[in-house]
Amino acid sequence: DAGITQSPRHKVTETGTPVTLRCHQTENHRYMYWYRQDPGHGLRLIHYSYGVKDTDKGEVSDGYSVSRSKTEDFLLTLESATSSQTSVYFCAISELQGSGNTIYFGEGSWLTVV
Amino acid sequence: AQRVTQPEKLLSVFKGAPVELKCNYSYSGSPELFWYVQYSRQRLQLLLRHISRESIKGFTADLNKGETSFHLKKPFAQEEDSAMYYCALLNRDDKIIFGKGTRLHILP
Repeated sequence: DAGITQSPRHKVTETGTPVTLRCHQTENHRYMYWYRQDPGHGLRLIHYSYGVKDTDKGEVSDGYSVSRSKTEDFLLTLESATSSQTSVYFCAISELQGSGNTIYFGEGSWLTVV
Repeated sequence: AQRVTQPEKLLSVFKGAPVELKCNYSYSGSPELFWYVQYSRQRLQLLLRHISRESIKGFTADLNKGETSFHLKKPFAQEEDSAMYYCALLNRDDKIIFGKGTRLHILP
């Protein structure tokens, strides 16, 4: 599992409240990613990070912000949750193996916005 | 445009029959390609990457640059192969682009 843990694993929150999801890794990987997974859409990249304080937007970044103040933690924040953000959120890291990179995923965080 | 296409949302195959999950990509350059499998409500697990040319759980995938394809194959389907399968591409900016996935359903 490449030492990736996500928290919380399950959360129900109300529309308009802020929510922060945490991704923690123990193996000093440089690249970290946040995806959301929705039926019919597969996995879509929200934000990614290529180092401490270096982040960039993915294809569905609206309504989300991220922070990476330490190598091991990549936080995803929904400033004001909406029902359209009900989804499963996966964190991932990129690890160099041999001549190429391999991507490993966390176990997912199920978020329901009511 | 960089894109991964999995044309089948659902593929139903009888146990013991051959399986082929299709994946086509659009990318200018040499991509790094992967197949991931996701069992019900679990994390995505790496199944294959084209660089390693290995076989996992009886699955293989060959990169065909001429056809820009990376189809996943298995000669004899097993019931435990029922899952969601995602093809993915890692581009030179270290972004991972996923297809929308194919649900494989193995019929008894």
